[in-house]
Amino acid sequence: NAGVTQTPKFRILKIGQSMTLQCAQDMNHNYMYWYRQDPGMGLKLIYYSVGAGITDKGEVPNGYNVSRSTTEDFPLRLELAAPSQTSVYFCASSYPDRSAGELFFGEGSRLTVL
Amino acid sequence: DQQVKQNSPSLSVQEGRISILNCDYTNSMFDYFLWYKKYPAEGPTFLISISSIKDKNEDGRFTVFLNKSAKHLSLHIVPSQPGDSAVYFCAASTNAGKSTFGDGTTLTVKP
Repeated sequence: NAGVTQTPKFRILKIGQSMTLQCAQDMNHNYMYWYRQDPGMGLKLIYYSVGAGITDKGEVPNGYNVSRSTTEDFPLRLELAAPSQTSVYFCASSYPDRSAGELFFGEGSRLTVL
Repeated sequence: DQQVKQNSPSLSVQEGRISILNCDYTNSMFDYFLWYKKYPAEGPTFLISISSIKDKNEDGRFTVFLNKSAKHLSLHIVPSQPGDSAVYFCAASTNAGKSTFGDGTTLTVKP
């Protein structure tokens, strides 16, 4: 049982480049999320999805886009990378209807924009 | 405006003693409060939660206390073990499934 899988684990981008962070979960969770964590800070919600075809902005959505075509996958797209997007990105999933809404996290993707 | 605050960036305790991690919140509409543990280079993992209608929840060495009037919760770890050394995040969630996190407290348990 893999849980939440994120790829890549590490990536270095140049300013203005684009990339997609992949996230997949095999727990049949309806809800999926993307968070970023800057050094010494907590996790900030970027985007979330309550099911296939449904996405919504979180606290810090600028510079990012998402899509949710299947229950399993929730990719995060950076269109024009900026140094301010240097961070560790965590994908998570949950099934709030059956629990306190605890999140299951992937191992994270460390992104550096130079 | 930070809705969930952990005012202590770090805490150091001796093995076998009690660790108390604190968290304050401002939004009375939160339904659940959760604690996550994070080791370096790993994702956070869920530790324990408490419903907004309860004042205590216990799971083994971990107990979470909720004081709604003070908008304050705390995580007690007894006895503390070196393997408990990690960053602990307090989070609060609504029934819409979104969670808001504090900035974390780094716990160091000394042998």
